Order: sequence, then C-alpha cells, then structure tokens
Amino acid sequence: AAGVIQSPRHLIKEKRETATLKCYPIPRHDTVYWYQQGPGQDPQFLISFYEKMQSDKGSIPDRFSAQQFSDYHSELNMSSLELGDSALYFCASSLDGSSYNEQFFGPGTRLTVL
Amino acid sequence: AQSVAQPEDQVNVAEGNPLTVKCTYSVSGNPYLFWYVQYPNRGLQFLLKYITGDNLVKGSYGFEAEFNKSQTSFHLKKPSALVSDSALYFCAVRDMNYGGATNKLIFGTGTLLAVQP
Repeated sequence: AAGVIQSPRHLIKEKRETATLKCYPIPRHDTVYWYQQGPGQDPQFLISFYEKMQSDKGSIPDRFSAQQFSDYHSELNMSSLELGDSALYFCASSLDGSSYNEQFFGPGTRLTVL
Repeated sequence: AQSVAQPEDQVNVAEGNPLTVKCTYSVSGNPYLFWYVQYPNRGLQFLLKYITGDNLVKGSYGFEAEFNKSQTSFHLKKPSALVSDSALYFCAVRDMNYGGATNKLIFGTGTLLAVQP
C-alpha cells in the first residue's frame, strides 16, 4: 500500500539558511499534519491542513510557514534556521480530517543545522 | 489540557513472555487514544486506537490495548513478546477544544521496549 512520502530524507543546512520540506500524503487523504521530534523527545505538533486550508496550529515558530497545494501535497518552509531547529520532521496524513481517523506518518526528514 | 503519561522510560521483557507498556491519560470529555511504534530512524507506525465501544482493542502485530475509564489508563499489551518488537512506543491522545476534538495528537514521552532473546 502507498505510504506518506517525505523529501528530502536528510538535509544539512547552515544557520540562517532556509529549508523546504515536502510531504506527499497517501492517495485520497486530504489532511496533512506536521510534527517536530527533537532528539530523545516525543513528537510535537506544528500545523495541519484540511482541504488546503489551515485547520490547526501548534508550536510552530513564526520563522516557519506551510501550505497545502491543490494536489494535497504540503510544504514546510523554514527560514533563518537556528541550531535548535535540528530535529526529525514528520508529516502525517489522514482521511477527511475526522477525529476518529488515525494519522499515517511518513519516514521523516532529518534536518541538521550547523 | 489533554495529556498522556508513560511512566516507564524503558520496559525489559524476555522473548515469549507477556509485555505491558503503560499509558495513563488526562482529558476533558471522551478520550480518543492511540498507540504508535517507532523503529530506529523510521516514522511512527499506527498500532491501534480507542474511540468508543469495546474496552479491549486489538491492533497490528498481535498487540492489544485495554481502555480503563476508572483508572484513566490505556495500557498496551501483547501475550508473547518477540525480539522484533523492540522499539519505541508512543501513546497519544487527540487534543480537544471547546468545539470538540481537534486533529492534532498529543504524545507521551515514549517507552523503549527491549525484548531479550
């Protein structure tokens, strides 16, 4: 079965640079979520989209922005990168944004900021 | 605020023995509870969920979880552990606001399960 695709899988950036992470949800899934997992920590919710509209917002820094496109893929844009942004970034998708539906996670993008 | 707690950082069990990974929750209203497993350098894989209905929920890979409202617990169990079950397990709860359940998941701190051969 098709899974959530994230690209790139690994990314190395310098401080103050920008990064763009991409997420391709499972086919027919219209809801995308972004989570950040720091080393040895639990995943923290950043932001979500349902039908191309922002549906919820968590602890996402103002330096970050995201959007969902007409084909339901999503991009997380990160600017003015800081050392503390080094983490594993997960994208998850679900069907119709219902609270009952489980979220399916991608393999993550490991961002390292030097 | 909604939260889940996983009181054990690590659980050690011998292969073939039953395993339990503990999770307690604190929510307003009815909880929507989930278990995920994370293998090294991999994403989170969905195991099972409790929304409503039977308190015993069966999931993937032979795992099950028991919802206990009086004890506000949702412990993950498996009758016979395998070495391949060794991984990081996260309990999660769907967040709530005044309008009802939102989409985002709130995760526990994770429990590392180590199954010895």
